[in-house]
Amino acid sequence: AQSVSQHNHHVILSEAASLELGCNYSYGGTVNLFWYVQYPGQHLQLLLKYFSGDPLVKGIKGFEAEFIKSKFSFNLRKPSVQWSDTAEYFCAVNKGSDSGYALNFGKGTSLLVTP
Amino acid sequence: KAGVTQTPRYLIKTRGQQVTLSCSPISGHRSVSWYQQTPGQGFQFLFEYFSETQRNKGNFPGRFSGRQFSNSRSEMNVSTLELGDSALYLCASSLTSNQPQHFGDGTRLSIL
Repeated sequence: AQSVSQHNHHVILSEAASLELGCNYSYGGTVNLFWYVQYPGQHLQLLLKYFSGDPLVKGIKGFEAEFIKSKFSFNLRKPSVQWSDTAEYFCAVNKGSDSGYALNFGKGTSLLVTP
Repeated sequence: KAGVTQTPRYLIKTRGQQVTLSCSPISGHRSVSWYQQTPGQGFQFLFEYFSETQRNKGNFPGRFSGRQFSNSRSEMNVSTLELGDSALYLCASSLTSNQPQHFGDGTRLSIL
């Protein structure tokens, strides 16, 4: 079955530490890739997306992600986290027009940044 | 620009009842998708509507239905509610189907 895996369920970092959250998917062929963030008490927000082109994509708030097709991965990175990055992070994938645009989400990674 | 608006925010129902949830997409967005989020299953896709037509449907029983109006607003209905239907129901809108989806705050449905 097609799936999206996020390897780290809970991550605790100190402020200024570097962040990398893993995301792997099991789809073949062309995919669209997304990272969403949910801050406490807020709705899901789009951090960044990859549709095509440069596999290194930059999003809001200093986040970036790299699409590595050979590894079926789309890992999220930030060089230096802040306390305000405490949130839940979701990786999501869709296949595009041949299978509809329904998003398939990973289970999420809860990030706690300590002062 | 107003975001995706879902009403009501919270709902408590009992088994066997039915419920209708509403979603107003971002102005200009024509695609509306619905998801169910639970602690155990995570996000599960319910259906997607575009220009009043259901384009895609997830693996949910027929008790779950939806529709989209000419102004792109969408409703989903769940009939004969079961305890397992307790969840956060999320609506997402996008300009067209192949554009990033923007989510609302969700409707938290509790079944007693």
